[in-house]
Amino acid sequence: QKEVEQDPGPLSVPEGAIVSLNCTYSNSAFQYFMWYRQYSRKGPELLMYTYSSGNKEDGRFTAQVDKSSKYISLFIRDSQPSDSATYLCAIYTGGFKTIFGAGTRLFVKA
Amino acid sequence: GAGVSQSPSNKVTEKGKDVELRCDPISGHTALYWYRQRLGQGLEFLIYFQGNSAPDKSGLPSDRFSAERTGESVSTLTIQRTQQEDSAVYLCASSEDSGRNTGELFFGEGSRLTVL
Repeated sequence: QKEVEQDPGPLSVPEGAIVSLNCTYSNSAFQYFMWYRQYSRKGPELLMYTYSSGNKEDGRFTAQVDKSSKYISLFIRDSQPSDSATYLCAIYTGGFKTIFGAGTRLFVKA
Repeated sequence: GAGVSQSPSNKVTEKGKDVELRCDPISGHTALYWYRQRLGQGLEFLIYFQGNSAPDKSGLPSDRFSAERTGESVSTLTIQRTQQEDSAVYLCASSEDSGRNTGELFFGEGSRLTVL
């Protein structure tokens, strides 16, 4: 079993839709959860960061961690074509090690 | 520089040739990472450098892969006798060691390697 599992998609939605992106992980000891966004032919950049359980909101983006089910979610409200990118969940395991999901390709159609 | 710089941005080579990829991290970042990203896939950890400590080479896929870093500066990833399966984007990232490390990585734009 991979440490982090993520459906690679692609996921195609119309502009204005609510997008839900998800990952599952295997180790209940993990505490630091992140979402990176990667535009085509660019490097990933940190989008959201959450420590332990709960929600974190930043504008149209909400990151959610459910440690009881080992489930990580990213919600995008009022999605825009500019949100079209690959979204990678990531877990910082300590010791300078970060493990990444496969990334979900998102297309938002105008 | 302001961000992580990688060169070349694109490299096309013939099977069996050696290639060198370069990464210039953000000034002051003590940690440097190399990842590989195959088409449509996630990031595969290759190697990690932290200051003057011995690097963590646990992700290198074979002995054809090696990397060096001098101090806290530039790193070079070398792939010898390239194979078609080595075709991928090689991403470099750096991070700071501030004692408050949350693991945020700052990535370059990658070096896209195509082995014919």
